[in-house]
Amino acid sequence: DGGITQSPKYLFRKEGQNVTLSCEQNLNHDAMYWYRQDPGQGLRLIYYSQIVNDFQKGDIAEGYSVSREKKESFPLTVTSAQKNPTAFYLCASSPRLVEETQYFGPGTRLLVL
Amino acid sequence: GQSLEQPSEVTAVEGAIVQINCTYQTSGFYGLSWYQQHDGGAPTFLSYNALDGLEETGRFSSFLSRSDSYGYLLLQELQMKDSASYFCAVKGNTPLVFGKGTRLSVIA
Repeated sequence: DGGITQSPKYLFRKEGQNVTLSCEQNLNHDAMYWYRQDPGQGLRLIYYSQIVNDFQKGDIAEGYSVSREKKESFPLTVTSAQKNPTAFYLCASSPRLVEETQYFGPGTRLLVL
Repeated sequence: GQSLEQPSEVTAVEGAIVQINCTYQTSGFYGLSWYQQHDGGAPTFLSYNALDGLEETGRFSSFLSRSDSYGYLLLQELQMKDSASYFCAVKGNTPLVFGKGTRLSVIA
C-alpha cells in the first residue's frame, strides 16, 4: 500500500534537547511538507520541499530544520531554539508543489517533559 | 499575502444539512480545496473547485464563487461520523494555505 508514515506517534523532549521526527512516503511524490497544528488551530506551514536537495522556509520555520537527501524522506528536527514545541506535527506530500490535494501522514504528537 | 476566514464552530442535528463558509483573500488563486480531520487524525481531501459553481460528491458538495472570493462546503444527511474539523485551503502560487478550520458537532 502506498502512503505516508510518520514516527514516532508520540515523542517527548527534554529541555535543551533536539529531537527529529521521521516522515517517509512511497507515493513517488516530488513535494513534501511539514505542518504544525496547535489545539483548535489550523495547519501552519513549517518547511516544504519541491525536490530532492531543495527546501524552503514556511511561515513558522524558526527553531526547526529539515533535510531532503532522498525523495522518500523529509525529516524534521525540532531544535532547542524552539521554545514552545508542544504540538501535533503533520507531514504531507503531493505530486508537485502547487497541487490541490495533499496526502497526510498520521502525525506525531510532541510533548515537553 | 493570503488569508482565509471560516467559522470556528458549527453544530447541527443528525439528518440535517449544514453549510460551512469560507472567504479568502489571496494574491494568486487557482482554486479552493476542502479537507476533513477527525480528532487526533490526519486531514483527508474532500473536494476541489477551480471553477465557479457546485461540485457534488455523494453527501458532500462544494461551491465556489471566484468573483466573491467565497466558497462553501455543504454536508447533507448528516451522520454522527461527520463530527470533525473541516478546513478550506487555497491553491495559489505557493503551497496550499489552510484556514483555521471549522469544528462541526453533529448532535442527535
